[in-house]
Amino acid sequence: AQKITQTQPGMFVQEKEAVTLDCTYDTSDQSYGLFWYKQPSSGEMIFLIYQGSYDEQNATEGRYSLNFQKARKSANLVISASQLGDSAMYFCAMREINQAGTALIFGKGTTLSVSS
Amino acid sequence: GAGVSQTPSNKVTEKGKYVELRCDPISGHTALYWYRQSLGQGPEFLIYFQGTGAADDSGLPNDRFFAVRPEGSVSTLKIQRTERGDSAVYLCASSLRQGDGEQFFGPGTRLTVL
Repeated sequence: AQKITQTQPGMFVQEKEAVTLDCTYDTSDQSYGLFWYKQPSSGEMIFLIYQGSYDEQNATEGRYSLNFQKARKSANLVISASQLGDSAMYFCAMREINQAGTALIFGKGTTLSVSS
Repeated sequence: GAGVSQTPSNKVTEKGKYVELRCDPISGHTALYWYRQSLGQGPEFLIYFQGTGAADDSGLPNDRFFAVRPEGSVSTLKIQRTERGDSAVYLCASSLRQGDGEQFFGPGTRLTVL
């Protein structure tokens, strides 16, 4: 069963605007972590932000914030004041903390294009 | 400090050949992960090491794939009798310890099987 769903193959935004990238997840565990990674055309995976399932506050890191709605099992990434350098592929990922293997489970990604 | 490094950055081989892909994690990171990313997809988990031992190899697609980490640092992913379907970017990541939040990724090895 697919555990991370990113329904937006591509998103387009103008510089300085905010954009929301959607992510829904599926797990029966109570303890898990949610991640967002950025992958530019160079191919490296860059960690952006992390939200633990027990965190009461939404995570924020500079221009990135995570809109965590536990009951809806959604973990949308909000990028404020978009910049041209934000153009990249964005992946939502989950780790089920109590499993023996702590690998990340990734969604299919969303391509973000920022125009001037 | 140095990040995760992977060699080679690109590997082109012929169907049926054997290949080795190397990952050098961040110094002191005990957890090491291999992922495979096909075109247009997110990375898919292959195998996870905690120290020298493979703690979870449930993602390896078949017995042609094998990985080792003999000294708990550098890891080698080995693929026997390569097939065209093995063509992908192979990503390695490390984290400070098991269950630690952030995994740091290397730049990947792009494998092309002709």
